[in-house]
Amino acid sequence: DAMVIQNPRYQVTQFGKPVTLSCSQTLNHNVMYWYQQKSSQAPKLLFHYYDKDFNNEADTPDNFQSRRPNTSFCFLDIRSPGLGDAAMYLCATSRDRGGANVLTFGAGSRLTVL
Amino acid sequence: AQKITQTQPGMFVQEKEAVTLDCTYDTSDQSYGLFWYKQPSSGEMIFLIYQGSYDEQNATEGRYSLNFQKARKSANLVISASQLGDSAMYFCAMRGGMDSNYQLIWGAGTKLIIKP
Repeated sequence: DAMVIQNPRYQVTQFGKPVTLSCSQTLNHNVMYWYQQKSSQAPKLLFHYYDKDFNNEADTPDNFQSRRPNTSFCFLDIRSPGLGDAAMYLCATSRDRGGANVLTFGAGSRLTVL
Repeated sequence: AQKITQTQPGMFVQEKEAVTLDCTYDTSDQSYGLFWYKQPSSGEMIFLIYQGSYDEQNATEGRYSLNFQKARKSANLVISASQLGDSAMYFCAMRGGMDSNYQLIWGAGTKLIIKP
């Protein structure tokens, strides 16, 4: 089945120790998104790629970076995690932006910062 | 500014009853789309249903239907014959047009618990 796969599902890191979360898709979608979701809150968009074009949200901290080496893969790098970065990180894809384009989500990566 | 409001932080419903989850929105875009997603405790966001602003009929997908009242700017989700597996967070979201960079605006969510 075509899908969005996130690894790892659970990541524990120490304060300040860099972390990389990965996302892969077999849907051949043009757009890939990274969301941060804290407990009992709505997801917050960090950035998205439209093909190779990177789009950063204005309020995304510089501590968060992303790479999309090819259509199928996208990575979220957290350079120096703080306690406030503990959250669920959701990767999503869509065929295109706008209109009825549905976001397909992965199962998420839950980050714990000690 | 675009905004989505879900006024029910939590709901308890008896199994097999119908459920209505409220969603109101505010936008100045003429063309927009409304989405409902389900998020079980496992964390994955699952797409349920979509309604376009120009769609004349209410969207339906199995047990899910969207009660779209454009003049009132509401897009309530109706779940018929609720099941225990429907217990989850439910998010309403809206996508505007090019002026809003096509981004999804999310509501705060409603936590639905189905009682046996």
